[in-house]
Amino acid sequence: TQLLEQSPQFLSIQEGENLTVYCNSSSVFSSLQWYRQEPGEGPVLLVTVVTGGEVKKLKRLTFQFGDARKDSSLHITAAQPGDTGLYLCAGGTSGTYKYIFGTGTRLKVLA
Amino acid sequence: DVKVTQSSRYLVKRTGEKVFLECVQDMDHENMFWYRQDPGLGLRLIYFSYDVKMKEKGDIPEGYSVSREKKERFSLILESASTNQTSMYLCASSPLMGLYVKQYFGPGTRLTVT
Repeated sequence: TQLLEQSPQFLSIQEGENLTVYCNSSSVFSSLQWYRQEPGEGPVLLVTVVTGGEVKKLKRLTFQFGDARKDSSLHITAAQPGDTGLYLCAGGTSGTYKYIFGTGTRLKVLA
Repeated sequence: DVKVTQSSRYLVKRTGEKVFLECVQDMDHENMFWYRQDPGLGLRLIYFSYDVKMKEKGDIPEGYSVSREKKERFSLILESASTNQTSMYLCASSPLMGLYVKQYFGPGTRLTVT
């Protein structure tokens, strides 16, 4: 069974701080997605990475796919209260419809 | 903008009741999904449908069934609700498969079974 473990599970930081969230698995994935979910809403896709070592930037968010395509990280620079939410990674396998979702990291950024 | 709507935001049912959760998408997507979301467990796939009247079991289908009579509508049915089915249920839709495929999620239905 493929599993995606995220760490930390909870994170509470002050506005302006930097943080990194990790998504780890023993399985290889063809693609890795990151979603953010705000209270009362469904998850919204932030990014998809498909190549080992790939780095993508979305404003203050930097996403990296591990060289072996088993892990990923999300780094936020100068966090803002608007970054508050539940961050979920999801691993996909080529040719299938299934995405395996990670356990989630709940981030709270205090003003 | 893609819109996925779910029939209820909050639902309270009694043990043993038959429960219907409805999901509608407006983007003519082929694929539709039902997940349940529990703290510390992420999202777990219950059922998937890739076409009208077509369905496949996900990782946790026990105690659930689904119906897809029209392309835009995907229903999740709890045949006899139990307290361990208390959870947040999320519906999603996506176009055809691919590495960059994006799933569009509804706002969720928080179901409490008492």
